[in-house]
Amino acid sequence: TQLLEQSPQFLSIQEGENLTVYCNSSSVFSSLQWYRQEPGEGPVLLVTVVTGGEVKKLKRLTFQFGDARKDSSLHITAAQPGDTGLYLCAGGSGGSNYKLTFGKGTLLTVNP
Amino acid sequence: DTAVSQTPKYLVTQMGNDKSIKCEQNLGHDTMYWYKQDSKKFLKIMFSYNNKELIINETVPNRFSPKSPDKAHLNLHINSLELGDSAVYFCASSQAGNYGYTFGSGTRLTVV
Repeated sequence: TQLLEQSPQFLSIQEGENLTVYCNSSSVFSSLQWYRQEPGEGPVLLVTVVTGGEVKKLKRLTFQFGDARKDSSLHITAAQPGDTGLYLCAGGSGGSNYKLTFGKGTLLTVNP
Repeated sequence: DTAVSQTPKYLVTQMGNDKSIKCEQNLGHDTMYWYKQDSKKFLKIMFSYNNKELIINETVPNRFSPKSPDKAHLNLHINSLELGDSAVYFCASSQAGNYGYTFGSGTRLTVV
């Protein structure tokens, strides 16, 4: 069974601070995706990374896929209250039976 | 113009009843999924269909029966509902392979 450990589980910070969320596994994944989920809604895809060592930037968000494709991080610069939400990492595997295995999420609260 | 729509949004029912949740996607995706999100926000895959064929069945009780009449629809029927079935159920779709999922907004099932 492939497991993804996310840390921290909860994070409460002030507007303008920086933060990093980690996603770790002992398994290799063909891709790693990050989602954000708001209350009462489904997760929304932020990014997909597929190459070991890959770094992608989305405005104030920076995503990195580990060289061995077992871990990933999400860094947010100058967090804003609109960044509040549940951040989920998900590892892709399975070839023709491709599926995503989700981490347990990091609940981020950015206080004004 | 909703991409993945599922109905109903809320479902409250008594133990022992049978209920269905419907899902439709208009994205032209080949693959559809059902995920269960528990009270701790952990998302776990239940089923995956590719072009109407079941490709993933993740040790789900056989009281749960998915049905895909065509590749744009994936419904979930649950027999003899139990208290432990209470959760939020998400439908999602994607192109086959290393692509991100588009999720519906979820169905909150409460069994009383």
